[in-house]
Amino acid sequence: GENVEQHPSTLSVQEGDSAVIKCTYSDSASNYFPWYKQELGKRPQLIIDIRSNVGEKKDQRIAVTLNKTAKHFSLHITETQPEDSAVYFCAASRGGTSYGKLTFGQGTILTVHP
Amino acid sequence: KAGVTQTPRYLIKTRGQQVTLSCSPISGHRSVSWYQQTPGQGLQFLFEYFSETQRNKGNFPGRFSGRQFSNSRSEMNVSTLELGDSALYLCASSALGGTEAFFGQGTRLTVV
Repeated sequence: GENVEQHPSTLSVQEGDSAVIKCTYSDSASNYFPWYKQELGKRPQLIIDIRSNVGEKKDQRIAVTLNKTAKHFSLHITETQPEDSAVYFCAASRGGTSYGKLTFGQGTILTVHP
Repeated sequence: KAGVTQTPRYLIKTRGQQVTLSCSPISGHRSVSWYQQTPGQGLQFLFEYFSETQRNKGNFPGRFSGRQFSNSRSEMNVSTLELGDSALYLCASSALGGTEAFFGQGTRLTVV
């Protein structure tokens, strides 16, 4: 089955710096790649997603890039703020009837120091 | 629009017992997926229901089962509870395949 590896497991940055989290996936049939943010004691919330027909997607300070050939995708957060501190999860799924099955990476604990 | 609602929020059960968790999806959403979240294993997919049918299944033992009703509400059942079943159980709903999955706040299950 699908396997998603996520690095680093922890990331500490100063406010205003950029943060990059990387994921690799094993199933070449995967074509949907969402990123979730989970604050302590709260539910995961989608922050950005990308489909395999797109190489990059941006939403204000957040961007995701996808390299289908290498089977990896990355989350980029610019101008980090303390409220960006949370656990970030990448995920992958196949299309069609398998969209509801997300395989998650192990998560990255991001800490932004003021 | 109301979000995804899971009940109960917290549960404490004894080894060997069984438990049923409930998930009410966002109105109009027909897909409901269940995940187990633990510090050691992260978020793991249990199963997905779509229009009352199990559409996808993860690698969990048969003690974990689920169902979906005609109003899209879903229940998850765990029989013969083990200590290792202690976890946060999350459900997520989406409108159709390929759309954003919205998570509920989860049910924290503790097995003693």
